[in-house]
Amino acid sequence: QLQLQESGPRQVRPSETLSLTCSVSGDSISSSPYYWGWVRQSPGKGLEWIGSIFYSGSTSYNPSLKSRVSMSVDTSKNQFSLKLTSVTAADTAVYYCARGLVGLDYWGQGTLVSVSS
Amino acid sequence: EIVLTQSPGTLSLSPGEGATLSCWASQSVSSSDLAWYQQKPGQAPRLLIYGASGRAAGTPDRFSGSGSGTEFTLTISRLEPEDFAVYYCHHYGSSPFTFGGGTKVEIK
Repeated sequence: QLQLQESGPRQVRPSETLSLTCSVSGDSISSSPYYWGWVRQSPGKGLEWIGSIFYSGSTSYNPSLKSRVSMSVDTSKNQFSLKLTSVTAADTAVYYCARGLVGLDYWGQGTLVSVSS
Repeated sequence: EIVLTQSPGTLSLSPGEGATLSCWASQSVSSSDLAWYQQKPGQAPRLLIYGASGRAAGTPDRFSGSGSGTEFTLTISRLEPEDFAVYYCHHYGSSPFTFGGGTKVEIK
């Protein structure tokens, strides 16, 4: 059974960088043709696509976040990561990692990251 | 960017009733690139439908998806107590992927 688990700081100061890692178990992150994505949800709001990455390192980002987002894959650790720079209170959200192909079929439980000083 | 608009925002129904949820795209979407999710409070979304009409593993057959072009529909034939939740449509055909704003199905 595939499982995904987000990890990282639960609180980030304004203007700093949010960093999260998604650990994948039950299958190799190098499995083709899947991609690996990040989605966030601000409190009480809907879902927002952040971006996605293939095991090869090929990425696709939400244009509204593109200048601040980067993603990477570590196949040796079976993990992929998200970095979001220059955060503000508007970046406070539950961040989910997920596996994609035809829709997002496996999700992590999500982790709430608060941006505050 | 393809904008997905869902309606209604909230649907108040009783168990046993049927539900019809709509998702409109700002431009034509390939049917193979449209999904529906269910989300309950405090939980991650769960994939219900992919490719506009394909049921994901574990999706009960009371859930069905249809549509093409710019108009898509999720139908729940008879609401069970566990179906009261928020539903999102999702386009994954071309970057940037997008989600609709969601439809909340609540108990009347």
